[in-house]
Amino acid sequence: GESVGLHLPTLSVQEGDNSIINCAYSNSASDYFIWYKQESGKGPQFIIDIRSNMDKRQGQRVTVLLNKTVKHLSLQIAATQPGDSAVYFCAENGLFGNEKLTFGTGTRLTIIP
Amino acid sequence: EAGVTQFPSHSVIEKGQTVTLRCDPISGHDNLYWYRRVMGKEIKFLLHFVKESKQDESGMPNNRFLAERTGGTYSTLKVQPAELEDSGVYFCASRSGANTEAFFGQGTRLTVV
Repeated sequence: GESVGLHLPTLSVQEGDNSIINCAYSNSASDYFIWYKQESGKGPQFIIDIRSNMDKRQGQRVTVLLNKTVKHLSLQIAATQPGDSAVYFCAENGLFGNEKLTFGTGTRLTIIP
Repeated sequence: EAGVTQFPSHSVIEKGQTVTLRCDPISGHDNLYWYRRVMGKEIKFLLHFVKESKQDESGMPNNRFLAERTGGTYSTLKVQPAELEDSGVYFCASRSGANTEAFFGQGTRLTVV
């Protein structure tokens, strides 16, 4: 069955450094991927998305890279800040755009002041 | 514009009791989803409404879970009778259509004791 997984459950980064969170997926037909950030007591918050016809997309301090050959995506956060501390989930959205999201386990990112 | 709201934010019930969770999606969003995160694991899909119709209920764990969306507006998720393994955080999300951002509520933390 389809699955989306993460390589590391926790990551600690010094404030100001860059962080990279990785995610692997198994469904080669996956078309749309999203990164979410979840802070304690809140629901998942959209960060950035990417479609399968792209290999890189940039936002404000965040970049998502998609490698379809090895079915891997990553989230890069530049110049990390204390407010970046949260659990980050990658999710795959299926072929038709309004289907269920399939989430990975999540990576807890801790920014060390 | 109001976001997705969920009620209650927390619920502690005894095994065997009934609990009803409510989700108010963003006004005008036809697509409504229920997800659950159990004890630090990944966020798992429960079901998907398009307006008042169940589009996909493949994630519902068993017949103790009943979801409704009468009138295609708010949705309820009833657990009856609750079991210990039903504890977790239940998230609701809504989106206006295909390939649009899914917005999540803050979640309901359910504890069954």
